[in-house]
Amino acid sequence: RKEVEQDPGPFNVPEGATVAFNCTYSNSASQSFFWYRQDCRKEPKLLMSVYSSGNEDGRFTAQLNRASQYISLLIRDSKLSDSATYLCVVNSRGAQKLVFGQGTRLTINP
Amino acid sequence: GAVVSQHPSRVICKSGTSVKIECRSLDFQATTMFWYRQFPKQSLMLMATSNEGSKATYEQGVEKDKFLINHASLTLSTLTVTSAHPEDSSFYICSARDNYGYTFGSGTRLTVV
Repeated sequence: RKEVEQDPGPFNVPEGATVAFNCTYSNSASQSFFWYRQDCRKEPKLLMSVYSSGNEDGRFTAQLNRASQYISLLIRDSKLSDSATYLCVVNSRGAQKLVFGQGTRLTINP
Repeated sequence: GAVVSQHPSRVICKSGTSVKIECRSLDFQATTMFWYRQFPKQSLMLMATSNEGSKATYEQGVEKDKFLINHASLTLSTLTVTSAHPEDSSFYICSARDNYGYTFGSGTRLTVV
């Protein structure tokens, strides 16, 4: 079983739609959680960290359920520029390395 | 913000040759850097953790004699793919941890022909 699992998609949604991504992790010692965005042939860039209480940044909302070892990302009022691959990323306390999910590919259609 | 410079961005080499990829932290000191590999439509897979002044730590299944890592200073880590073969063709990305999180280099697309 992969340490971080995501639905690879692809998700194709119309502009303005709301889209949600899910992610599960297997290591219960995981302490830090992130969503990264990766555009085609580019490096990943941090979209947002995910906190236990859930957090929001503009149109983006992240949720964490430690009991279920589940992380989600919600994108509201999607824009064409949101088209990218979204990577769920975790790391364990004391461990410096990040573990990446395989990513969920999103395409926003005009 | 923190910047990690990686080059070359793209390299095409002949099978059997070696390729060196450099990763520099421009405005901070990085005692630890990470090297990832990404095949098409797959996620980033950690290859090794590079530690300044000591040997790198390789992930299971990664050949340390094939992927040589040197981290001789606090701002520079290099990855050398030795005797490259077509199956080594991939996107290689480095990352360093700064005060705010992890910063990634822009990646190197290696094509072995």
